[in-house]
Amino acid sequence: EPEVTQTPSHQVTQMGQEVILRCVPISNHLYFYWYRQILGQKVEFLVSFYNNEISEKSEIFDDQFSVERPDGSNFTLKIRSTKLEDSAMYFCASSGRENQPQHFGDGTRLSIL
Amino acid sequence: RKEVEQDPGPFNVPEGATVAFNCTYSNSASQSFFWYRQDCRKEPKLLMSVYSSGNEDGRFTAQLNRASQYISLLIRDSKLSDSATYLCVVRDNFGNEKLTFGTGTRLTIIP
Repeated sequence: EPEVTQTPSHQVTQMGQEVILRCVPISNHLYFYWYRQILGQKVEFLVSFYNNEISEKSEIFDDQFSVERPDGSNFTLKIRSTKLEDSAMYFCASSGRENQPQHFGDGTRLSIL
Repeated sequence: RKEVEQDPGPFNVPEGATVAFNCTYSNSASQSFFWYRQDCRKEPKLLMSVYSSGNEDGRFTAQLNRASQYISLLIRDSKLSDSATYLCVVRDNFGNEKLTFGTGTRLTIIP
């Protein structure tokens, strides 16, 4: 079964540093998403991306965050200057068409020191 | 009021029993509904979509009551492998792809 893959599985970064989280969505999918889950809390939407542009973003997704699809396969989330409160599990998801279920990657655990 | 509300549990249920989870959502315009399961420190995995007429997938039955803004999940003949956190998930409008998650209900099946 095709799956969403994410790298790295765990990223440890000093506060204030930039971090890039990488995702390879399912190959024929067109809609891409980032979510995050702070330890012990619910999964929260960050951003959705379609047709090479952001289609929706949450209040969490401020100017420190950006997304990019640099080639035909990768989808990245960049946090420009990390804060302690950015520590969380970050999940990438993709779906084939609008309104189809979203399939999640196994996540990147981001730890900010 | 929380957008998607679930009883956090934990539910500790003997193997073979039937267990039911409930969920309420606040946005009456919500269009799509799902149950995901999440194992400890893993990604959410789609368990099933929830349709207005109700739907069944093996031991799992999901129901939707739009008037009451209420979603349920029933697990029959529970197995040890059903131990997980069950997430009620709502998508609001057509063209709005954002998923809104409940906090989840933790289920432990006891041998």
